[in-house]
Amino acid sequence: QQPVQSPQAVILREGEDAVINCSSSKALYSVHWYRQKHGEAPVFLMILLKGGEQKGHDKISASFNEKKQQSSLYLTASQLSYSGTYFCGTLPGGSARQLTFGSGTQLTVLP
Amino acid sequence: NAGVMQNPRHLVRRRGQEARLRCSPMKGHSHVYWYRQLPEEGLKFMVYLQKENIIDESGMPKERFSAEFPKEGPSILRIQQVVRGDSAAYFCASSPMDREGTQYFGPGTRLLVL
Repeated sequence: QQPVQSPQAVILREGEDAVINCSSSKALYSVHWYRQKHGEAPVFLMILLKGGEQKGHDKISASFNEKKQQSSLYLTASQLSYSGTYFCGTLPGGSARQLTFGSGTQLTVLP
Repeated sequence: NAGVMQNPRHLVRRRGQEARLRCSPMKGHSHVYWYRQLPEEGLKFMVYLQKENIIDESGMPKERFSAEFPKEGPSILRIQQVVRGDSAAYFCASSPMDREGTQYFGPGTRLLVL
């Protein structure tokens, strides 16, 4: 089953914060976050493995609550370059390696 | 270190023709994945391959679509007798061997069927 992302879209002003959520009905081994700009390839942001870890680089961080099968992506002090569609990809336990992607969250940062 | 390469970047075909999409994984990556993306939608898994082996093709349509990853050369996604509904962006991703392997995406091939 496809993970559910929320919100579907968000509009921010430069400098504001945003949270994007990703939840799955399946037990997860890992969650992968990507950003895609229009007409371009998805760009890898970070991977979170089960263990409830939190990761971050620059002003983008993420958490993974394996008990709730949820991950959240946090964007703080957003910049214009953060605009794009954010996808979470989930990997269940077991031997599967293909990611199942959510339908995406469209983020627009305005000046 | 070159990233994942795909060609062609754009492909136009008439209904009934064949489309061949190529993907060269990143150096050192032995796993290749193909995904399809319709406009304004997410990425849908199609097939996962290792060298000379199809590991999982559960996302591939049963007819007209095939994929290979030969010992030498790029991975190829082949669509026979294309129809308008095949119009989409097709992305290839590659990852290294380890279980946590991050998938890195190529620039995609945008297929337009007239």
